[in-house]
Amino acid sequence: DVKVTQSSRYLVKRTGEKVFLECVQDMDHENMFWYRQDPGLGLRLIYFSYDVKMKEKGDIPEGYSVSREKKERFSLILESASTNQTSMYLCASSYPTGAVDEAFFGQGTRLTVV
Amino acid sequence: AQSVTQPDIHITVSEGASLELRCNYSYGATPYLFWYVQSPGQGLQLLLKYFSGDTLVQGIKGFEAEFKRSQSSFNLRKPSVHWSDAAEYFCAVVNTGGFKTIFGAGTRLFVKA
Repeated sequence: DVKVTQSSRYLVKRTGEKVFLECVQDMDHENMFWYRQDPGLGLRLIYFSYDVKMKEKGDIPEGYSVSREKKERFSLILESASTNQTSMYLCASSYPTGAVDEAFFGQGTRLTVV
Repeated sequence: AQSVTQPDIHITVSEGASLELRCNYSYGATPYLFWYVQSPGQGLQLLLKYFSGDTLVQGIKGFEAEFKRSQSSFNLRKPSVHWSDAAEYFCAVVNTGGFKTIFGAGTRLFVKA
């Protein structure tokens, strides 16, 4: 089975802190994604990556950055956390570029910024 | 730009009753369509997908969906709902190039005894 693992289920951080959310997948997928999930808004794409060291902005990249140094790992960084970044964050991975198929999701990280 | 609309924020059905969750998409080419389910506190799991061919697709857990190009719809159905189906359901479309999955806002399903 494909496994996408997010390092934390719950996080509480203070305003202004630098926050790292880690995601690892074990299926050699080229594509990886970070989504933010808020009630009534569904999943909104923050950033995605289609190869190591490659990244593309999604629909809501402001206040976030990402890192992909290894194929299996995709990190989301909140440079200076703010209360409006309190949300559920979901990582996903999918098959090679050009082969459309399902995305596999991690369990999510619920981040609270106080 | 592609978009996905799920008109119902939440739906309540009785256990054993039939279910239909609506999904409309906006996309210029042949869409790749998905339905995912999210149980409380969990990530998303694929229920079914449509790429081409037969417009009625079968998925896991007894769900099916029908693609109707003329209506730009991809509605999810189940003939008899179980209490364990209570969850949030997301319709999604993958864009040209296959990089991005665009999700609807979701429909939360409540099941009453």
